[in-house]
Amino acid sequence: DQQVKQNSPSLSVQEGRISILNCDYTNSMFDYFLWYKKYPAEGPTFLISISSIKDKNEDGRFTVFLNKSAKHLSLHIVPSQPGDSAVYFCAAQKGLNAGNMLTFGGGTRLMVKP
Amino acid sequence: DVKVTQSSRYLVKRTGEKVFLECVQDMDHENMFWYRQDPGLGLRLIYFSYDVKMKEKGDIPEGYSVSREKKERFSLILESASTNQTSMYLCASSLRGSTDTQYFGPGTRLTVL
Repeated sequence: DQQVKQNSPSLSVQEGRISILNCDYTNSMFDYFLWYKKYPAEGPTFLISISSIKDKNEDGRFTVFLNKSAKHLSLHIVPSQPGDSAVYFCAAQKGLNAGNMLTFGGGTRLMVKP
Repeated sequence: DVKVTQSSRYLVKRTGEKVFLECVQDMDHENMFWYRQDPGLGLRLIYFSYDVKMKEKGDIPEGYSVSREKKERFSLILESASTNQTSMYLCASSLRGSTDTQYFGPGTRLTVL
C-alpha cells in the first residue's frame, strides 16, 4: 500500500497561471517532506522541502504548504512557466537526515502551455 | 557541484542474463541508493548503503543484490534478469548526517526481452 500518494497523474495549466500539485500521506511518522522535479532523460532534482514544524515554505515562485492534521501537502507554482513542464514527485522521510529513506509518490506530470 | 553518473543510459538484456548497473559519485558521500521508477508507482527503493561494504534492503529488494567495495561506487546486480525488471533505474547519493537532499544520477533505462 502506497504511503505517499499523488492522485493526479497529470495537470495542464496555462502559462502565467497558478499550478497546484497535491500529495497525501498516511504514515504519521513522516516529518520531513520534499518535492523533486524530473525532466525526461534526467534524474530527479530537489526543488523544495518542508519540515513538519512548519506549515509553509516559500522559495521564489514555489511554495509548499503542509496540513499535518489532514496529512496533505501541496506545491504551488506562481506564475507557471513552460520550463516548469516536468514530472513532479512528492517524497517523505522520517527525520531530517539525508540518509533516511525517502518514500515517493507516483508523480504528477505538469504541462504548462504557452 | 555534485555529480552522480551511471554507466549506461540505455541497456537491453535477455531473460536470464546477469546484469550490472554501475553508479559513481564524486562528492565523497557516505550514503548511496538504488531506486527503480515505474509509471504510477514513482520511485521505489531497492537497496541502500551507508558505508563501504554495508548494505540495507529497501522496499523491493527481491531479485536484486548490490555491491559497495569503494566509497564512490555502488553497483546494482540483477542475478537473473526477468521481464518484470524492465524499468528505469536511478542511483542517488547523500552526505551522512546532513539535512542536504539526495542527488540523483540520470538513470539507466533497462529493457529485458
